[in-house]
Amino acid sequence: GQQVMQIPQYQHVQEGEDFTTYCNSSTTLSNIQWYKQRPGGHPVFLIQLVKSGEVKKQKRLTFQFGEAKKNSSLHITATQTTDVGTYFCAGKMEYGNKLVFGAGTILRVKS
Amino acid sequence: KAGVTQTPRYLIKTRGQQVTLSCSPISGHRSVSWYQQTPGQGLQFLFEYFSETQRNKGNFPGRFSGRQFSNSRSEMNVSTLELGDSALYLCASSPRTDYEQYFGPGTRLTVT
Repeated sequence: GQQVMQIPQYQHVQEGEDFTTYCNSSTTLSNIQWYKQRPGGHPVFLIQLVKSGEVKKQKRLTFQFGEAKKNSSLHITATQTTDVGTYFCAGKMEYGNKLVFGAGTILRVKS
Repeated sequence: KAGVTQTPRYLIKTRGQQVTLSCSPISGHRSVSWYQQTPGQGLQFLFEYFSETQRNKGNFPGRFSGRQFSNSRSEMNVSTLELGDSALYLCASSPRTDYEQYFGPGTRLTVT
């Protein structure tokens, strides 16, 4: 079936270190979305990438969409304790039009 | 604008019972999707409705059903509850089916 694999499952970093989470799809995506879920909260939309090779930045967050539109990454520079949470990618399948979520990467930041 | 609201927020049911969860989307949003979130399985897509029509369906048994009303409010129903149905049920609304999703706070369902 259509899957979006996300790695790593967990990441513990020291405050100030960088963090990256990766998503890979088994099929071509029409777009990819990223969400953040704080502990005890609900997912909150961060960004959507549509174009092949697209790169978008939000302050310390950098999002990339692969050339083949099958993979994506989220990179956080100099993590802060406010970055704690679970980061999900969600790929919109080119065929079938379903939005498939990755399993998420749990980020813990030690101060 | 008010966000997505879900009722009830918490629910405890017994195996074999049925449950109905409600979702009110952001005003003007016509797409409503439902997800099941569990620690082991992550966010699993249940179904999506747009203008009262089911547009997509996930891989869940027929015990899970939903509907959308003309005012875009949506309900999901789970019949013959099983212990494994204990989860956080999230509703998300969107202006269109390919736009970003705005999630509600969820309904925490516990089946005993």
